[in-house]
Amino acid sequence: QSVLTQPPSASGTPGQKITISCSGSSSNIGGNTVNWYQQVPGTAPRLLIYTNDQRPSGVPDRFSGSKSGTSASLAISDLQSEDEADYYCATWDDSLNGRLFGGGTKLTVL
Amino acid sequence: EVRLLESGGGLVQPGGSLRLSCAASGFTFSSYAMSWVRQAPGKGLEWVSAIGGSGDTTLYADSVKGRFTISRDNSKNTVYLQMNSLRVEDTAIYYCARNFAIDYWGQGNLVTVSS
Repeated sequence: QSVLTQPPSASGTPGQKITISCSGSSSNIGGNTVNWYQQVPGTAPRLLIYTNDQRPSGVPDRFSGSKSGTSASLAISDLQSEDEADYYCATWDDSLNGRLFGGGTKLTVL
Repeated sequence: EVRLLESGGGLVQPGGSLRLSCAASGFTFSSYAMSWVRQAPGKGLEWVSAIGGSGDTTLYADSVKGRFTISRDNSKNTVYLQMNSLRVEDTAIYYCARNFAIDYWGQGNLVTVSS
């Protein structure tokens, strides 16, 4: 079980908005920035959101991130079929002195 | 364009050793920390190790500490992961990635530990 807690699954219909949560503690999310990654099955992860709420070039503005206290969230608006993938949050943990990943959330577009 | 190309994976028996390599291009290699992340079959991502740009800082997950060694050769734009005393539970796709915070990923290299 990961130190960063994500719901194992989420789902939505095309056009809908969904939110994926990532819960941590003061030693990780509470004191460090959060990244989000998208992984289509069979491929390498790609960076979706960095430093809590910044989008790399090429990432649609349908994807947004936020952080409050010891939790972070990824929102996907105007859901599309190609958004079907696994999503991971990640941050640094000061106690472990290492990088942490959430357990991942499998998004299904119905 | 940032490119990370892993090599060196394969099948190894428990207790054996393997060295992964990751050749980087498209950025000033020595200016960036590098990381290794793995993903066991059907499981999530697990951070393994990281090394600073000059190689002076090395960090390890508890699960591999004392068994794995990360290193880099900035003249060859390559980062390595020496894996010793391999266990069945080390079976995974190993990804090379740029930065401590990880912004770019390689395509991954499969390591299978089995008798």
